[in-house]
Amino acid sequence: DAMVIQNPRYQVTQFGKPVTLSCSQTLNHNVMYWYQQKSSQAPKLLFHYYDKDFNNEADTPDNFQSRRPNTSFCFLDIRSPGLGDAAMYLCATSNGLAGAGGETQYFGPGTRLLVL
Amino acid sequence: AQKVTQAQTEISVVEKEDVTLDCVYETRDTTYYLFWYKQPPSGELVFLIRRNSFDEQNEISGRYSWNFQKSTSSFNFTITASQVVDSAVYFCALSDYGNNRLAFGKGNQVVVIP
Repeated sequence: DAMVIQNPRYQVTQFGKPVTLSCSQTLNHNVMYWYQQKSSQAPKLLFHYYDKDFNNEADTPDNFQSRRPNTSFCFLDIRSPGLGDAAMYLCATSNGLAGAGGETQYFGPGTRLLVL
Repeated sequence: AQKVTQAQTEISVVEKEDVTLDCVYETRDTTYYLFWYKQPPSGELVFLIRRNSFDEQNEISGRYSWNFQKSTSSFNFTITASQVVDSAVYFCALSDYGNNRLAFGKGNQVVVIP
């Protein structure tokens, strides 16, 4: 089955220690997204790639970066995790047409990050 | 600016009862898209439905049904004969034409009591 895969499902890191979260997809979608979701809140978009074009949200901290080496994979790097970065991180994909928008986003199972 | 309001934070129902989740949206665009997602305790957001602003037909899928009313800017979701597996957080979301971003509501926590 085509899907969005996130590894690991749970990640524990230490305060200030860089961590990378992974996302891969077999849907062959050209748009990939990273969301942060804190407890009892809605998901918050951090950034997205439209093909190779990176789109950062204005309020995404510099501590968060992303890489998309190819269509299938996307990584979220947190350079110096703080206690406030503990959250669920959700990856999503969509099949986007340039300028259209409104396409359905399909989400992975998420990675729950714990910062000690 | 886009805004989605889900006023009911937590709703508890007894199994087999119906439950309706309200979603009210705001947008300046005439072309837009509305979505509902389900988030069970496992955490994955599961896509349920997408509706564009020009399609006001109501939709039924099994025990799920959606009522879209542009006149009141609402896109309400009803679960008929609820089951314990329906226990989850349900998010309503809005995307304007030409915009990849989803504006989410705060979500409705549905608890189905056996």
